Amino acid sequence: DTGVSQDPRHKITKRGQNVTFRCDPISEHNRLYWYRQTLGQGPEFLTYFQNEAQLEKSRLLSDRFSAERPKGSFSTLEIQRTEQGDSAMYLCASSLGTAPLREQYFGPGTRLTVT
Amino acid sequence: AQKVTQAQTEISVVEKEDVTLDCVYETRDTTYYLFWYKQPPSGELVFLIRRNSFDEQNEISGRYSWNFQKSTSSFNFTITASQVVVSAVYFCALTPGTGFQKLVFGTGTRLLVSP
Repeated sequence: DTGVSQDPRHKITKRGQNVTFRCDPISEHNRLYWYRQTLGQGPEFLTYFQNEAQLEKSRLLSDRFSAERPKGSFSTLEIQRTEQGDSAMYLCASSLGTAPLREQYFGPGTRLTVT
Repeated sequence: AQKVTQAQTEISVVEKEDVTLDCVYETRDTTYYLFWYKQPPSGELVFLIRRNSFDEQNEISGRYSWNFQKSTSSFNFTITASQVVVSAVYFCALTPGTGFQKLVFGTGTRLLVSP
């Protein structure tokens, strides 16, 4: 299967610890997105990469959050000094950067629980 | 600013009933795209349909149909003769037609189909 993959699927951490999530997009997709979804809500945009360049960041992405996409392939999302409010599902998506605009394909998500 | 409203939080139907999920959107863009995604209990968002703002033609795919009406800023989704397997949370989403593709999601409608 060549869909979007995310690792880990679940992460439980104590408040104050750092966590890092990984996303592997569909191989030919040059666009990669991170979203956050809390219970009962729709996903909210966090950040966007085109190839290796991070082109957009949401105001939701505080200074404790950092994302990278070295070499334009996989991406990592790191949260430093986690807080209980960071508990959520973190979703990665990828798409082709062609015209007309194409749909995004989502991974299974990483569920973060901060205790 | 863009906004998507899914006023129906949860809908319960009996198998074989028809059901319509409502989606109302707000945008100042003249070019935009609308999407429907399905999120089954496993959590992974599954792409269902993409529609651009210049194409108001309704679409049918099996038991699924979509009604896009620019005059009322709505993009409703109907499932005909529903089955238990379609039980999931359904999200409507919107993105501008230019620039990067930031999806703005509604809060979702949980559809429960009972036997």
